[in-house]
Amino acid sequence: AQSVSQHNHHVILSEAASLELGCNYSYGGTVNLFWYVQYPGQHLQLLLKYFSGDPLVKGIKGFEAEFIKSKFSFNLRKPSVQWSDTAEYFCAVFFTGTASKLTFGTGTRLQVTL
Amino acid sequence: DADVTQTPRNRITKTGKRIMLECSQTKGHDRMYWYRQDPGLGLRLIYYSFDVKDINKGEISDGYSVSRQAQAKFSLSLESAIPNQTALYFCATSDLHGGEQYFGPGTRLTVT
Repeated sequence: AQSVSQHNHHVILSEAASLELGCNYSYGGTVNLFWYVQYPGQHLQLLLKYFSGDPLVKGIKGFEAEFIKSKFSFNLRKPSVQWSDTAEYFCAVFFTGTASKLTFGTGTRLQVTL
Repeated sequence: DADVTQTPRNRITKTGKRIMLECSQTKGHDRMYWYRQDPGLGLRLIYYSFDVKDINKGEISDGYSVSRQAQAKFSLSLESAIPNQTALYFCATSDLHGGEQYFGPGTRLTVT
C-alpha cells in the first residue's frame, strides 16, 4: 500500500536555527508532492508543491523542498526559522494510478522558541 | 471572503445522535473531499466526489455518509455518532486530478 512517512513528530528549534523536516513515501510510480502548514487553530495552507521539472522547489515564507526520486523523499527546509513558523507541517503525496488519491503523512509539530 | 466554508465550526453531540457537517465552496471546483484529523494520525480521507454524480469512499468511510447536493456543496453525515468520531473534520476542494487541495477552516466535533 502507498504510504507517506514523516519521521520527526515534534521538533523544537531556537529562532534562526535551520530546519529540515523529512518526508518519505513508498511508491515507484509518478507522484505529485506537497507540503502543507497548519498554524495553531487554522486550516491547512499550501507551502509548496512539486509536479515535475526542477526538483528543488521554492514556496512561501522562505521554505523550499527537494525531491530526490532515488530516495523517495521530499524534505522541507528553511535556512532560518522564525517564531511565527511554529505550526504543524504535513507532507502529502498524490499517487497516480488506479487508486489515485492524496495521502498525508502524520505531521510534524514544529515549535520555535525565542 | 473564504473560498471554502464549513458549518458548524464547533459541535458537541451525544452518542447515537445524527449530525450533518456542511461544506460550501466558491472556487468553482468539481472535486470535493472530506477528511478527519486526529492527533498523531494526520489527515485521513473519508469520502470524495469528483462531480455531482460521483461519490467515492475513502480509507475510513465506515460510520459516515455524504451528499453532493450541488457542485458547490458537499455534506458529511454521521448517522449515529459514537465517541471515537470525535475529531477535527476538514472539507477540501481541487480543480485538477492530483492538484493542490484547498481546505476549509474545519469543524471540531465532540461526541460525548
